[in-house]
Amino acid sequence: GENVEQHPSTLSVQEGDSAVIKCTYSDSASNYFPWYKQELGKGPQLIIDIRSNVGEKKDQRIAVTLNKTAKHFSLHITETQPEDSAVYFCAASMTGNTPLVFGKGTRLSVIA
Amino acid sequence: NAGVTQTPKFQVLKTGQSMTLQCAQDMNHNSMYWYRQDPGMGLRLIYYSASEGTTDKGEVPNGYNVSRLNKREFSLRLESAAPSQTSVYFCATYQLNTQYFGPGTRLTVL
Repeated sequence: GENVEQHPSTLSVQEGDSAVIKCTYSDSASNYFPWYKQELGKGPQLIIDIRSNVGEKKDQRIAVTLNKTAKHFSLHITETQPEDSAVYFCAASMTGNTPLVFGKGTRLSVIA
Repeated sequence: NAGVTQTPKFQVLKTGQSMTLQCAQDMNHNSMYWYRQDPGMGLRLIYYSASEGTTDKGEVPNGYNVSRLNKREFSLRLESAAPSQTSVYFCATYQLNTQYFGPGTRLTVL
């Protein structure tokens, strides 16, 4: 089955700097790669996703890149702000109703 | 719309006690999921229900049972709680590749 590895497990950046979180996956059949943000005391929420027919996707300060050949994808947050502090999860699945397989999470701290 | 709701928010059990975690959704989604979240382990799938009347095991089903009571409700039961089941439990629905999570239940088993 699918296995998703996520790095780093913790990340601290200064406010205004960029943050990058990387994930690798094992199943070449996976074609859908979402990112979730979990704030303290809440459930995770989808922030951005990418499908295998696209190499990069942006939404304001966040972007996701995908390298299908290398089977890795990354989350990029630019101009970080204190409210970006949270735990971020990557995931992978095949489109349809296949369950998502999550990485173990990255705790991002943005220091003002 | 409330989205996905879970009860209770917090629970403390003694080893061997039983309890049921409740989950309900008002989004009319077919699929519902139960995850547990432990430090450093991410989100691990316990059981899921692709549609009313069906349930399937996930990655860590041992020690749990589920009931898909109707389209809205999906409950998770611990028959004989163990300290290893101390965790935060999340219910979620799944539609068009998007998972919608509830606020979680923090369970401690002493």
